[in-house]
Amino acid sequence: DIQMTQSPSSLSASVGDRVTITCQASQDISNYLNWYQQKPGKAPKLLIYDASNLETGVPSRFSGSGSGTDFTFTINSLQPEDIATYYCQQYDNLPLTFGGGTKVEIK
Amino acid sequence: QVQLQESGPGLVKPSETLSLTCAVSGYSISSGYYWGWIRQPPGKGLEWIGSIYHSGSTFYNPSLKSRVTISVDTSKNQFSLKLASVTAADTAVYYCARHVSVMAVAGIVDYWGPGTLVTVSS
Repeated sequence: DIQMTQSPSSLSASVGDRVTITCQASQDISNYLNWYQQKPGKAPKLLIYDASNLETGVPSRFSGSGSGTDFTFTINSLQPEDIATYYCQQYDNLPLTFGGGTKVEIK
Repeated sequence: QVQLQESGPGLVKPSETLSLTCAVSGYSISSGYYWGWIRQPPGKGLEWIGSIYHSGSTFYNPSLKSRVTISVDTSKNQFSLKLASVTAADTAVYYCARHVSVMAVAGIVDYWGPGTLVTVSS
């Protein structure tokens, strides 16, 4: 299985800050990488697919980049409604695997 | 608008079989996509269980493969999960979800059900 390592596991930032989360794959996964947002008690929501493509309807303050083994997820100008846990997920190979998650809180 | 809804018992005894169904509305399963299951133990991360195409082709997580069966009923526009010989470690919120296939891997999960908590306990 491909292991996905996310960091940090949690972070606290102020409204308006830029927030960056990294995800590292245990092997080259090209750009087969998705990012999800999960709010408490809710199902995950797809934000970014293929490493950098914004899902329809997702605010443009969310972005993703990277390829190979190293990926970055960014929230430009953190908003109160962005409080959630974010997960990366690879689909270069089955089984699909997820990172451990990054919990984002407001300072 | 595609909607998915899980249903099934919220409590299962150890060694028994967990059975869940996912009803899909707003899209015909027969039209395409893969349909699958993902679970999340309380306070923990996400684990992919497996997926199925409308033709019946299945893909399972090797870690669960010996215990998992996913099936589809296109006439009812629903698909199901059976997980045999459950233990407390199978206690989780179970999500059904639509998977988009890219380069032969059904790997983008674009629609999710709200999830259902299944507790394994005697």
